[in-house]
Amino acid sequence: QSVLTQPPSVSAAPGQKVTISCSGSSSSFENSHVSWYQDLPGLAPKLLIFETNGRPSGIPDRFSGSKSGMSATLGITGLQTEDEAHYYCVIWDSGLRSVLFGGGTRLTVL
Amino acid sequence: QLVESGGDLVQPGGSLRLSCVASGFTFGSNWMTWVRQAPGKGLEWVAHINFDGSETDYVDSVEGRFTISRDNAKNSVYLQMNSLRAEDTGVYYCARLMVKWPPINFDYWGQGNLVTVSS
Repeated sequence: QSVLTQPPSVSAAPGQKVTISCSGSSSSFENSHVSWYQDLPGLAPKLLIFETNGRPSGIPDRFSGSKSGMSATLGITGLQTEDEAHYYCVIWDSGLRSVLFGGGTRLTVL
Repeated sequence: QLVESGGDLVQPGGSLRLSCVASGFTFGSNWMTWVRQAPGKGLEWVAHINFDGSETDYVDSVEGRFTISRDNAKNSVYLQMNSLRAEDTGVYYCARLMVKWPPINFDYWGQGNLVTVSS
């Protein structure tokens, strides 16, 4: 069973940079792109990063994605109060034929 | 735009059918998916369906109980939920998949529909 592990919470001050990690536990992680979603209260989730480091139209370049081996990272620079949200990483487990969400990370902008 | 409907309060063991009507894009060109979120919990993928409905996948916990389907003539995707359990309670979102592989890029989402399973 593939599992994606994220830190429960991270925090940083406005204007600073923060990174959110996502660790995989199987070869499916190494073989899959990673997507990242932002989940704001009361709103539908939003796709932030696709194909590990691509940004959909309208997503500012303050958001970035990377991956190395069994770990992926979402980076957010120039933190703003409106960035306070939960963030989720997602992969495709080809063996299970299943989409896997990480447990989510709550970002607090102090 | 994706507009969902069908959410309701249902007793354990009951059934419910969620619908999602799409507009503003060529519906038959995209895979579609359902994602849910239990109260106070994280996001969980439920199921997805390919362009013409010939291919579907489900999370293990709903396999055999839920069925995803689509009607391209009606620009609609459905989630038939049977043998509902308390743990199926949550907000259900339909979403469109980008035309990219793997099928993890949900670029447009509905507003969410609340399903409550309780006696």
